[in-house]
Amino acid sequence: DIQLTQSPSFLSASVGDRVTITCRASQGISTYLAWYQQQPGKAPNLLIYAASTLQSGVPSRFSGSGSGTEFTLTISSLQPEDFATYYCQQFKDYLLTFGPGTKVDIK
Amino acid sequence: QVQLQESGPGLVQPSQTLSLTCTVSGGSIYSGGDYWSWIRQHPGKGLEWIGHIYYSGSTSYNPSLKSRVSISVDTSKHQFSLRLTSLTAADTAVYYCARGGRLNPFDFWGQGTLVTVSS
Repeated sequence: DIQLTQSPSFLSASVGDRVTITCRASQGISTYLAWYQQQPGKAPNLLIYAASTLQSGVPSRFSGSGSGTEFTLTISSLQPEDFATYYCQQFKDYLLTFGPGTKVDIK
Repeated sequence: QVQLQESGPGLVQPSQTLSLTCTVSGGSIYSGGDYWSWIRQHPGKGLEWIGHIYYSGSTSYNPSLKSRVSISVDTSKHQFSLRLTSLTAADTAVYYCARGGRLNPFDFWGQGTLVTVSS
């Protein structure tokens, strides 16, 4: 199984801040990584796929990078609606797995 | 725009079988290359992939659930379904259907349905 870890697990930031979340895979997954945003009580929403490709309709303040085992999601200027939990997910292995999530709290 | 909608019981008794259906609209469930998945989220917890069915009908399951789960598709009704047997309280979760699977991200999701296992 490919395990994903995320850091930090929780962060508190101010509107306008640059925020970076890291996802690490237990083995190389090339760029088969996606990032999702989940608002409370809602289904997850795809933000980034193939590690760095912005999903259609997602604001350009979101960006992703990385390959192999280390990946990052960056929000360039945090907005109030970005309060949410963010999950990474690998889709290379036959057993699809998610990271444990990073909760972003707006100060 | 592809839309997915889960349907099924909100309360199931322990040891019983859960059956959920996902209805797909705005796109063909039989499009080449598409996987259709079930994912669940325990209350206050992270996301767990349950399994998927490929457009051709082949399936893949999470090994942790493989002995209890099956996914099927009814293309005439534009639906795919989840069956999970021998339920316990540990199966209480929000169940989502989504388009995506191996080598494909989950790009469209249903709104989710809460299933509670309790007598």
